[in-house]
Amino acid sequence: DAGVTQSPTHLIKTRGQHVTLRCSPISGHKSVSWYQQVLGQGPQFIFQYYEKEERGRGNFPDRFSARQFPNYSSELNVNALLLGDSALYLCASSLLPGGPQETQYFGPGTRLLVL
Amino acid sequence: QKEVEQNSGPLSVPEGAIASLNCTYSDRGSQSFFWYRQYSGKSPELIMFIYSNGDKEDGRFTAQLNKASQYVSLLIRDSQPSDSATYLCAPTSGSARQLTFGSGTQLTVLP
Repeated sequence: DAGVTQSPTHLIKTRGQHVTLRCSPISGHKSVSWYQQVLGQGPQFIFQYYEKEERGRGNFPDRFSARQFPNYSSELNVNALLLGDSALYLCASSLLPGGPQETQYFGPGTRLLVL
Repeated sequence: QKEVEQNSGPLSVPEGAIASLNCTYSDRGSQSFFWYRQYSGKSPELIMFIYSNGDKEDGRFTAQLNKASQYVSLLIRDSQPSDSATYLCAPTSGSARQLTFGSGTQLTVLP
């Protein structure tokens, strides 16, 4: 079975631009979470979606937004990019958002560089 | 104060030795605890999870959880050079039961 897939793998943008990152969960998984990982740190939680509804949001500005589609895939959008947005963006999927089936599996990530 | 603290690395052990990785967390409401391994330039890979106090073994890996002390650890027996990576501790917390990660411990297993 295919794991979590993300696209694109790498992206270079300039300050002020907008970016859209995409994620397809493991087949059968209904919950998708997004994390940002800057170099040398652990991933930080951005959003979680379940059944197309936002279940949680981390401490990120409103420039960050996301959505989940009926097929459970998800998009992360970042507006007005700043140099500090340069990071590895990780998508993780789980069967359900809580309980024994909440184990999250990560995709390969999208590496974003803002110049 | 950081929510999840891991023992500062880097940690070096000889091949065949036991590597001990430690983690403390601040959210007493955390119910599930995950260990991920991350190779340089790659995404986190699940090693194991633990929900109940005590030990849980999976092959060469043993996770230990003590909720009263808010402490979770990972032991790697018979360490191999391929175990060289950054190990991330992540309890779940918040209404979304999101993963809250520590900064990770970099482990090097010397041949």
